Amino acid sequence: EPEVTQTPSHQVTQMGQEVILRCVPISNHLYFYWYRQILGQKVEFLVSFYNNEISEKSEIFDDQFSVERPDGSNFTLKIRSTKLEDSAMYFCASRYTSDTQYFGPGTRLTVL
Amino acid sequence: GQQLNQSPQSMFIQEGEDVSMNCTSSSIFNTWLWYKQDPGEGPVLLIALYKAGELTSNGRLTAQFGITRKDSFLNISASIPSDVGIYFCAGLKSYNTDKLIFGTGTRLQVFP
Repeated sequence: EPEVTQTPSHQVTQMGQEVILRCVPISNHLYFYWYRQILGQKVEFLVSFYNNEISEKSEIFDDQFSVERPDGSNFTLKIRSTKLEDSAMYFCASRYTSDTQYFGPGTRLTVL
Repeated sequence: GQQLNQSPQSMFIQEGEDVSMNCTSSSIFNTWLWYKQDPGEGPVLLIALYKAGELTSNGRLTAQFGITRKDSFLNISASIPSDVGIYFCAGLKSYNTDKLIFGTGTRLQVFP
């Protein structure tokens, strides 16, 4: 069964550094998402992306964040200058046309 | 922000018992989804509900979309050790948004 994949599984970075989290959504899916989950808390929406542009974003998704679909298969989340509070699990999700979003295994980001 | 409250927060049951958990909101949702999350992994979709009153099963799991559209429940029958994990409800408030709002989660422990 096709699935969403994410790399790396764990990223450790110094505060102020830029990080890029990578996702390969399910191949025929059209809508792409990033969510985050701070340890022990619920999953929170960051951004949705369709037709090569952001369709919706949350208040968490400020100017430090950006997303890109650089080619036909990858979907990336960039954090320009990481802060301690950016430490979390970041999940990529995708869907085709139904409302059902399928999630990847996540990237654990640790900011030191 | 929008809150989806899940209860109970945690459950400790014996293998073979049935489990019931629910998710409530003060607002109406158009779609309800139930996900299971194992430690260190992404949410895995269990059941999707699209219409008020809809009752859907997936093996030992049954979920219902409440008539008021402000709640949903998930039942697990004859629990087994691999049912251990955190169960999240998630909802879409309208047909014009992709922003999945997650519940606070119910942590399930199953003892043999």
